[in-house]
Formats: sequence, C-alpha cells, structure tokens
Amino acid sequence: NAGVTQTPKFQVLKTGQSMTLQCAQDMNHEYMSWYRQDPGMGLRLIHYSVGAGITDQGEVPNGYNVSRSTTEDFPLRLLSAAPSQTSVYFCASSQGFSNQPQHFGDGTRLSIL
Amino acid sequence: DQQVKQNSPSLSVQEGRISILNCDYTNSMFDYFLWYKKYPAEGPTFLISISSIKDKNEDGRFTVFLNKSAKHLSLHIVPSQPGDSAVYFCAADAQGGSEKLVFGKGTKLTVNP
Repeated sequence: NAGVTQTPKFQVLKTGQSMTLQCAQDMNHEYMSWYRQDPGMGLRLIHYSVGAGITDQGEVPNGYNVSRSTTEDFPLRLLSAAPSQTSVYFCASSQGFSNQPQHFGDGTRLSIL
Repeated sequence: DQQVKQNSPSLSVQEGRISILNCDYTNSMFDYFLWYKKYPAEGPTFLISISSIKDKNEDGRFTVFLNKSAKHLSLHIVPSQPGDSAVYFCAADAQGGSEKLVFGKGTKLTVNP
C-alpha cells in the first residue's frame, strides 16, 4: 500500500530551469493538493484539485502550474526556477467527503542555485 | 496575517506525563481542525481531527479539545512517550473539506526518558 508517492526525493536546479515534481496516489482519492514548507514555517498551499480536470490556486501559486488529467496523478510544474522556490514540497490527497483528513507523501527537497 | 497560530515553538516533557500543545485561529469560517505529527525527512502524518460541531475527540492517548468561542484548540497526549518526540502541526479548513488546509508553524515536542 503505497499511499501518496512523490518523485524525485531530492533535486538541485539552476535558476531558470524548469522541472516537474511528480505525485501519485493509489487510494482513489478525489482531492489532491500541493504544499511547500520553508524553514520555521508551516505548510503553505500552492495549488489544489477536487477532481480530474479541476484545479485551483492556493495561497502561493505564482511560478507554479498544475494539471489533473487522471484521478491518480497531480504533477507540479516549475516554469522557470528561482532561488525563492528552494523548499520542501509535499503532495497530499484525501477522499472527496466532508471531514476527511489529507494524507501526505514524504516530500521533495528542491534546491535552486 | 497568520490565521492559525501555534505560539510555542517547542515543548519539553518527561516520559509518562501529559503533553499539551496549543493552537489558536482567527478565521471564524474554519469548521474542521486537524493535528499532524512530523518526523524529520518524512511527510506529515495525520493524528486526530475534530469538526466544529464537537468540543472533544479522543483516540487512544490523544485527545483534541475545541473551544469555538475562544477560537482555541489543544492536543493532549497522555501518557507521553519518547516516540512522540516530533513536530506537531495544527491545521484548519473551512467548508468541511480538507483540500485547502491552513497550517500553523508547528511545535517541536521533546519527550525525555
């Protein structure tokens, strides 16, 4: 039972490069979300999706794109990496019912030089 | 403006004693509250939650109390164990869902043997 799987676990990019962080869940969850965690901070919502084909912005969406073509996958794209995007990124999923907790992957540590 | 506040960055308790972690919120639209536990280099793990229609929820050694009038919730761990040492995050959402969680900055709990 894999749950929420994030790849890669670590990545180093140069400023201006683009990349995609992968997130997959095998629990048939409707809701999926991306968060970033910076040192000394709580997690902040980047983008979220309430189902395939439906996405919306969270608190800190600038510089990121998402799409949701299947229930299982919710990739996060960095269009042109900036040092301010150095962070740990977490993907989460939950059932599409009220009061169901989100379950998180183990994160991707991203460094932008 | 922080909507979810955990004012104690750290807490140290003796094994076997009670740990009390506190969380305050400002948004009166929040109606679902969760506690997550996080170990280094891992994703947050769901611990316990409470909806706004309740004032208490228990799960084994963990109890969450909600005081809506004070916009305050607390997590009690009894008895505390060394394996409970981790960072604890309080999170909240509105509209009964969990796809748009707002997190506090976390409290690092250390349980000493």
